[in-house]
Amino acid sequence: GEDVEQSLFLSVREGDSSVINCTYTDSSSTYLYWYKQEPGAGLQLLTYIFSNMDMKQDQRLTVLLNKKDKHLSLRIADTQTGDSAIYFCAEIDGNSGYALNFGKGTSLLVTP
Amino acid sequence: NAGVTQTPKFRILKIGQSMTLQCAQDMNHNYMYWYRQDPGMGLKLIYYSVGAGITDKGEVPNGYNVSRSTTEDFPLRLELAAPSQTSVYFCASSSRTGPRSFGQGTRLTVV
Repeated sequence: GEDVEQSLFLSVREGDSSVINCTYTDSSSTYLYWYKQEPGAGLQLLTYIFSNMDMKQDQRLTVLLNKKDKHLSLRIADTQTGDSAIYFCAEIDGNSGYALNFGKGTSLLVTP
Repeated sequence: NAGVTQTPKFRILKIGQSMTLQCAQDMNHNYMYWYRQDPGMGLKLIYYSVGAGITDKGEVPNGYNVSRSTTEDFPLRLELAAPSQTSVYFCASSSRTGPRSFGQGTRLTVV
């Protein structure tokens, strides 16, 4: 499948905001997802946004969607050391209509 | 409610051996998926299923087989294991458009 693109690394200081960016490929994707993966663990759904929305806020998380540019971002406010993990952006695969295409993941490191 | 359960958690196989990775979900989800995750890479879809008796190939199906005889179970079979199949395997399930629930993964090494 075509690639969902993410930057590979991000380092922020504790208490700052983190912004993780993603460019997706399928404009027909009805939902776009952010998953979090901690070391040695499976993927945990963080949040998702429906394609007819521009923004979704959920506590410290804000998702922004720019459909024209196929750009998705995840902002984490007041980043904590426990937020250190790999964050994956995912779109619904256009071929199956059900499965997800994932980016390679952004490793977020939060330093004290 | 256990969610998605994968067994085993770890396995070492010799080249040419076979094994089955088990996946079970108790959420009555029709849709189930198998992904592999290689170091520094995202997840690649191996196979998926939209219901009992129905399976379809994903992006990287070669060297694998699946079956879906029940809604709950979606085993992944490796025949003639190769070093290129060293990876972490994740099973997931969902309703049609709902969020995917992932298992904890099976770490497989082929030597």
